[in-house]
Amino acid sequence: AQRVTQPEKLLSVFKGAPVELKCNYSYSGSPELFWYVQYSRQRLQLLLRHISRESIKGFTADLNKGETSFHLKKPFAQEEDSAMYYCALSGGSWGKLQFGAGTQVVVTP
Amino acid sequence: NAGVMQNPRHLVRRRGQEARLRCSPMKGHSHVYWYRQLPEEGLKFMVYLQKENIIDESGMPKERFSAEFPKEGPSILRIQQVVRGDSAAYFCASSLSGGEQFFGPGTRLTVL
Repeated sequence: AQRVTQPEKLLSVFKGAPVELKCNYSYSGSPELFWYVQYSRQRLQLLLRHISRESIKGFTADLNKGETSFHLKKPFAQEEDSAMYYCALSGGSWGKLQFGAGTQVVVTP
Repeated sequence: NAGVMQNPRHLVRRRGQEARLRCSPMKGHSHVYWYRQLPEEGLKFMVYLQKENIIDESGMPKERFSAEFPKEGPSILRIQQVVRGDSAAYFCASSLSGGEQFFGPGTRLTVL
């Protein structure tokens, strides 16, 4: 069965500290993995997808097929990174998305 | 481009009433997805539609729920005879041709 697990509901970090959001998945096949972000009072928006292998706003995520993980990392957290982050999986190219429960990130000065 | 529009933003219904949620995709987008978010959970896929066609409804409850995306006008998610368990945030997303999904602000349904 397809599943996306984000074990942390809340992650509180100090500004300038590294932040890592965990995401594990189960899928029988080759999924596409995404990170979505929702800032306060804004819509859900795509942050990055594994296939593009790019860094957005200082965030990176590497797909580890052996560990079935797609953790999101940033070396130096900023206050504007405070938001809700969702890991998501798609079985086909841009098809329906399966989301994790989300991790609330709070960056304190 | 105003982005994906959803209305109403908040909807209150009594048990047994009908709820109609509307989604206007981004200009030029012909693919629409509906997701439901229960409290403390992530978004769950419900249905994927293209103009006048249902492509994937594997996430739709078997009864009381229906969706359409007519040739003209917004996509509609219809919930008949609502129950308290239908209280949730309902999100719509649109894409150009099955590509990146752009999300609307959501409709928060409360069933009294």
